[in-house]
Amino acid sequence: DAGITQSPRHKVTETGTPVTLRCHQTENHRYMYWYRQDPGHGLRLIHYSYGVKDTDKGEVSDGYSVSRSKTEDFLLTLESATSSQTSVYFCAISESIGLPDTQYFGPGTRLTVL
Amino acid sequence: SQQGEEDPQALSIQEGENATMNCSYKTSINNLQWYRQNSGRGLVHLILIRSNEREKHSGRLRVTLDTSKKSSSLLITASRAADTASYFCATAPSGNTPLVFGKGTRLSVIA
Repeated sequence: DAGITQSPRHKVTETGTPVTLRCHQTENHRYMYWYRQDPGHGLRLIHYSYGVKDTDKGEVSDGYSVSRSKTEDFLLTLESATSSQTSVYFCAISESIGLPDTQYFGPGTRLTVL
Repeated sequence: SQQGEEDPQALSIQEGENATMNCSYKTSINNLQWYRQNSGRGLVHLILIRSNEREKHSGRLRVTLDTSKKSSSLLITASRAADTASYFCATAPSGNTPLVFGKGTRLSVIA
């Protein structure tokens, strides 16, 4: 987890409210990722970023938006949270993509949407 | 959709035994990686094997890759209770696209 922090670590919110999760890195890595982890589904990519203000969608991007205004911060926003977005969210970083692209993960944020 | 699928989904062994997990994938890859996740924590990278490699070792870990069968295996020798965790394979598809993770194998090592 060194060099990557996520905040908050736990959050309980109501359906329909906006939620923003923050990922902060001190490694100066170019690539940042947001995943969700659910039982039976493993780890699924939501969005990723390949530079400041450069982002792309992942496998499960509906209902989520991201922003990256600084190299070190990558924000994940749920505009109007739904119960199906109850999950554990992980941020990851990597220096490169494709060749090779070892990822380093944050500690996770457990989000519960009531 | 997940590129890699681990098998078995869960594995329980005695301390000192070897643990073998398998991963199958669908498309051509640049490399394949294995990660470990302890309960309540983020994933930790264990080992990477490139598409032109067939076998790689790191401590008690041995990874094999068979690109003709689109499969990989992770062997943990002389398992310890501390090896209890979930293990995920992740494939790097050809081209500059992110890793795709499997659903994981949950390993329990009983002391």
